[in-house]
Amino acid sequence: LAKTTQPISMDSYEGQEVNITCSHNNIATNDYITWYQQFPSQGPRFIIQGYKTKVTNEVASLFIPADRKSSTLSLPRVSLSDTAVYYCLVGDMRGGYNKLIFGAGTRLAVHP
Amino acid sequence: DAGVTQSPTHLIKTRGQQVTLRCSPKSGHDTVSWYQQALGQGPQFIFQYYEEEERQRGNFPDRFSGHQFPNYSSELNVNALLLGDSALYLCASSLHPDGGTGSYNEQFFGPGTRLTVL
Repeated sequence: LAKTTQPISMDSYEGQEVNITCSHNNIATNDYITWYQQFPSQGPRFIIQGYKTKVTNEVASLFIPADRKSSTLSLPRVSLSDTAVYYCLVGDMRGGYNKLIFGAGTRLAVHP
Repeated sequence: DAGVTQSPTHLIKTRGQQVTLRCSPKSGHDTVSWYQQALGQGPQFIFQYYEEEERQRGNFPDRFSGHQFPNYSSELNVNALLLGDSALYLCASSLHPDGGTGSYNEQFFGPGTRLTVL
């Protein structure tokens, strides 16, 4: 599975847009990019997944350039409740046997 | 609709002891995966069960074993506990597609069991 690199931590303020970039230079043709969110004392929660270009859902947007060697998770107008660890995962996670490989993640702190 | 549940929530053991953690998957799910999360790190894949068999395994010693029951619930057993086994143990459930549809089957995580080894 492709190795990912993302910032260890980020700080933001309520109402701002937050962009977290993940580098995955060795991404393979069949790999998808998936982001999970984890609050303290809880299990991770799926946020968004994409293969190329842009994906948007009710929570976030995911931007993937043409070379797919990086991706950016965009959280619009964050609130205090968005304080969490965000994980970027890259791999062919379709099908039944989809183990998830997590890195250290990005710790986002949203301030009042 | 109940999500993934795990028991117990917290557990304290001493070195050399054995522990069993339990997981009930989300309703309708048939695949269970277990992860170990040390403090400050991301979850690490232990193994995955489907149709009562271990299907995939991560880089964990044989002291870690598991079981899946006909009702899809699962247990994680750890023998000869070490101090380094102290962690949050997460269970995740998903639906295994029939015939390999190629779709992404989201894994839903439980709240975890916090194991402390003294």
